[in-house]
Parts: sequence; C-alpha cells; structure tokens
Amino acid sequence: KAGVTQTPRYLIKTRGQQVTLSCSPISGHRSVSWYQQTPGQGLQFLFEYFSETQRNKGNFPGRFSGRQFSNSRSEMNVSTLELGDSALYLCASSPETSGYNEQFFGPGTRLTVL
Amino acid sequence: AQTVTQSQPEMSVQEAETVTLSCTYDTSESDYYLFWYKQPPSRQMILVIRQEAYKQQNATENRFSVNFQKAAKSFSLKISDSQLGDAAMYFCAYRSASGGNKLVFGAGTILRVKS
Repeated sequence: KAGVTQTPRYLIKTRGQQVTLSCSPISGHRSVSWYQQTPGQGLQFLFEYFSETQRNKGNFPGRFSGRQFSNSRSEMNVSTLELGDSALYLCASSPETSGYNEQFFGPGTRLTVL
Repeated sequence: AQTVTQSQPEMSVQEAETVTLSCTYDTSESDYYLFWYKQPPSRQMILVIRQEAYKQQNATENRFSVNFQKAAKSFSLKISDSQLGDAAMYFCAYRSASGGNKLVFGAGTILRVKS
C-alpha cells in the first residue's frame, strides 16, 4: 500500500496570503489528523476528520480550517498568513477514530511565510 | 488537559550500548494509550512502540522496550544495542481512549549515537 502523501512538500508564501495543503491518506483509512510542528511550540494538534466530519479540534485560531472529502483526502487551509505560521505541517491517517490503532504520518509540508 | 513532559532535550549513546529516554505525563483519565515516535532528519514520523494503559505488561518491540509505571505516570523508552540508524528525535505521545486520534506530544529528545 502506498503511504500517506502530502502536497506540496515545500511552499513559500507572504504575509496576508492564504494557503491550502493537501493530504491523501492510506487507502482504506477514514481518519485524517493534522499537526503543526515548530521549533518553539513543538508538535501541536490542529484537527481530526473522520468520514468527512471534524471530530476533534485543537487550540488554533479560526484562520486554520480543514475539510475532508468522500474519498478521505483532506485539505487544510490557512488564511491571512502570519510569520508565526511558518512550520512543518504533518498529516496522519488511521483506519479508525478510536481504539488501539496506529497513525501513519506523511512526510509533511514545509511552509515558509515571508 | 493532558500534558506530556520529556525532560531530556538531548541524549548520547555509544553504538551497541543501551540508553533510556524519559517521559512523564499528566492526566486524570484511567484509559489511554501511550506511544513513542521517532523522527529522523527526513522528518518522517515513525511509530516505535505503543502501550495500552490497562495492560500492566510492558510493551517490547525487538530492541525497544518501555517501562510503564501507571501510578507514577511515567513511560520511559529503552533502546538496547543502539545502532547508528537510531539517531533521531524521539517523541513521547499520549492519546485518550475517548478522544479520537488526537495525540499530545512531548517536546522531544534528540538521540545521538556515537560510533
């Protein structure tokens, strides 16, 4: 099976712009979670989608949003970019939203905001 | 809210030796899961080992084992016969049994392996 894929891998934007990141989970996985990784704040949970519904949300401002499509692919959007949004964005997929299951991570999208 | 603390920002180990990475967590829940993830320079997060809180037996995966002390809320990772490929950032993570797939991560420990 192919692993979790994220596109694009690298992105450079300027302040005030918006950006959309994409995540394709492993085939058959219905749960997709997003994380932001920065040197200062570490790894922080953004949100989780399961069967097109947001199941969990972290403590991020409303500028961060996401969605999931019927094929389980997920996108996250950040509007009005700030310098502090520069980070590695990781997505992880899992077959379920509960239980003793492993989450498989993608390689990440490196976002740089200038 | 749950928190995870890794008190060792960086550790070093000689090749073939054993090293233990520390992790403590805080939760009021009784049912949860604990994980150790490895992130090499490629940034690809890889699951190393996992533990269910209701299991008293410590999990083991080849050269990796944990020391899970539920009462002390401690979850350390032991790496035996360290190899150069073990060099990476290691994250301890907590997941509630009722909170979906949300992982709460510690700050990480950089492990350096000397040849």
